[in-house]
Amino acid sequence: AQTVTQSQPEMSVQEAETVTLSCTYDTSENNYYLFWYKQPPSRQMILVIRQEAYKQQNATENRFSVNFQKAAKSFSLKISDSQLGDTAMYFCAFMKLFGNEKLTFGTGTRLTIIP
Amino acid sequence: GAVVSQHPSWVICKSGTSVKIECRSLDFQATTMFWYRQFPKQSLMLMATSNEGSKATYEQGVEKDKFLINHASLTLSTLTVTSAHPEDSSFYICSAQRQGRSYEQYFGPGTRLTVT
Repeated sequence: AQTVTQSQPEMSVQEAETVTLSCTYDTSENNYYLFWYKQPPSRQMILVIRQEAYKQQNATENRFSVNFQKAAKSFSLKISDSQLGDTAMYFCAFMKLFGNEKLTFGTGTRLTIIP
Repeated sequence: GAVVSQHPSWVICKSGTSVKIECRSLDFQATTMFWYRQFPKQSLMLMATSNEGSKATYEQGVEKDKFLINHASLTLSTLTVTSAHPEDSSFYICSAQRQGRSYEQYFGPGTRLTVT
């Protein structure tokens, strides 16, 4: 079974600063995806970024980028130029391919952007 | 595109009654849908995987007779909470997996269930 660990229950950062959220995972699978989801106060889950395990290049989406270290089983999210709208719960998630393709979530990090 | 709706967004029911929650993919077909439960300030807990035209697969510890799941079409899955009790009060979220693209899962806005 896969496990996803987010060791930072809460974080806060000043607006416009950069923040990095940590995520580690444990799996024996070789084919999988990793995700970061954002859940704002509305509780709507929003995909932030996705990383295919077979790709060495780190995924980037505008102000959001990841540091994917496959050997270390680490998948951190960097948010640059943070904005007030980034305030939310952030969940790291794992999905193995070619089988029961369900998401396994971490416990989440509550991020607060301070004006 | 890729919108998933849930209905109702909020429901209050009396203990002992049943309540049905609908999950619809509005602009794509979803062979597989997932149902989650989320307690306050906690992560999403997968309850079951719903496959169109077949029986749902329940996670360990989830009572299949209490949480009935039906996936009758490629755009609709329903979760029925039977004989609801106050401990069933929670936030229920569905997600839909785009047909042919398992890595694309889109979430509904959730349903808040309160059992009195």
